[in-house]
Amino acid sequence: AQSVTQPDIHITVSEGASLELRCNYSYGATPYLFWYVQSPGQGLQLLLKYFSGDTLVQGIKGFEAEFKRSQSSFNLRKPSVHWSDAAEYFCAVGARGGGYQKVTFGIGTKLQVIP
Amino acid sequence: NAGVTQTPKFQVLKTGQSMTLQCAQDMNHNSMYWYRQDPGMGLRLIYYSASEGTTDKGEVPNGYNVSRLNKREFSLRLESAAPSQTSVYFCASSKNSGEKLFFGSGTQLSVL
Repeated sequence: AQSVTQPDIHITVSEGASLELRCNYSYGATPYLFWYVQSPGQGLQLLLKYFSGDTLVQGIKGFEAEFKRSQSSFNLRKPSVHWSDAAEYFCAVGARGGGYQKVTFGIGTKLQVIP
Repeated sequence: NAGVTQTPKFQVLKTGQSMTLQCAQDMNHNSMYWYRQDPGMGLRLIYYSASEGTTDKGEVPNGYNVSRLNKREFSLRLESAAPSQTSVYFCASSKNSGEKLFFGSGTQLSVL
């Protein structure tokens, strides 16, 4: 069974600073990988996804993530954080293959942005 | 295009009461899901429906039942609510299982 670890529950960065949110996964093969963002009182919205091909994935709102097979990681990055990026971020892993493919979520990283 | 619509947005129940959470999607998606979100636990899958006419248990199905009424609608029923079911519930859908999920805005449920 797949699993996801987000080691940082809460991160604070200054507006304009760079950001990296960590995600490690456990899965027997190359999985589908996702980053979702949740603003307060809202549902989750997909930021980006990796299915195959280029391991550096570009997403919405200026975010990118890099799939590193050797490290079983899919870290999310943004070069310059804006106050509107304050939200909770979830990494998720989906299994490949036939039949139902479950998506498993990490516990989330809450991002605080200070002026 | 409404996407995924959940009702109600808020609900307070007494222990032992029953209720049904409604979910509908207008994207012609095959797969639908119910998650619960609790602090420090992330999202946990309660039940899912990989395609119309099928439903199956997720990680935390106890105390819940579901109905895939048609391709658009997927309801979650609490037969006898318990305080442990206090949570935020999200319905989601995807074109096929394992793919990008589209979420509703959630239902905040409190069981007293």
